[in-house]
Amino acid sequence: KAGVTQTPRYLIKTRGQQVTLSCSPISGHRSVSWYQQTPGQGLQFLFEYFSETQRNKGNFPGRFSGRQFSNSRSEMNVSTLELGDSALYLCASSLVLAGGTGELFFGEGSRLTVL
Amino acid sequence: AQSVTQLGSHVSVSEGALVLLRCNYSSSVPPYLFWYVQYPNQGLQLLLKYTSAATLVKGINGFEAEFKKSETSFHLTKPSAHMSDAAEYFCAVRGFNTDKLIFGTGTRLQVFP
Repeated sequence: KAGVTQTPRYLIKTRGQQVTLSCSPISGHRSVSWYQQTPGQGLQFLFEYFSETQRNKGNFPGRFSGRQFSNSRSEMNVSTLELGDSALYLCASSLVLAGGTGELFFGEGSRLTVL
Repeated sequence: AQSVTQLGSHVSVSEGALVLLRCNYSSSVPPYLFWYVQYPNQGLQLLLKYTSAATLVKGINGFEAEFKKSETSFHLTKPSAHMSDAAEYFCAVRGFNTDKLIFGTGTRLQVFP
């Protein structure tokens, strides 16, 4: 069974550009969430989607956006990139959303470097 | 609001020694608690989770954690460290009806031969 797949794994952008990251969840998983990992701020929640609807959003500026498609694949977009956006972006999927103890399976992440 | 605090950003042990990584939580309701491990250039892997079914939780790779409500703690232990345990470990809490995890700042475990 394939795991969570994130593309691209590495990318370099310059300030002011925009970037789109992709996440394919485990087959059958309908919930996808995104996290940003930086040395300074650690792991921070960005947003989560279930059945194409954003259910929660973290405390990030509007430059950060995301969406989920009908096949549960998700993308996140960062516009007008800043140096501080350099980070590892992790995607996770789970089988159930509601309340429970369903395990989040993480991808290996997309490492973004902004120059 | 829920939060977790990990005491000690770095822990060093000798191979074969006890591993103890500390996590304290803050939650107004019984939380779901998790321990994740991250190896270099990889994502997060679940070690174990507390779901209120049992206070002593056994996970993968010989790790276990005990939920202590009186101490609001969920410390991770392993009786005998192995070189392959060297990694970063994160404690996390999750609320109800969400996949939003709130992570601690992480503890980097070094294992010396």
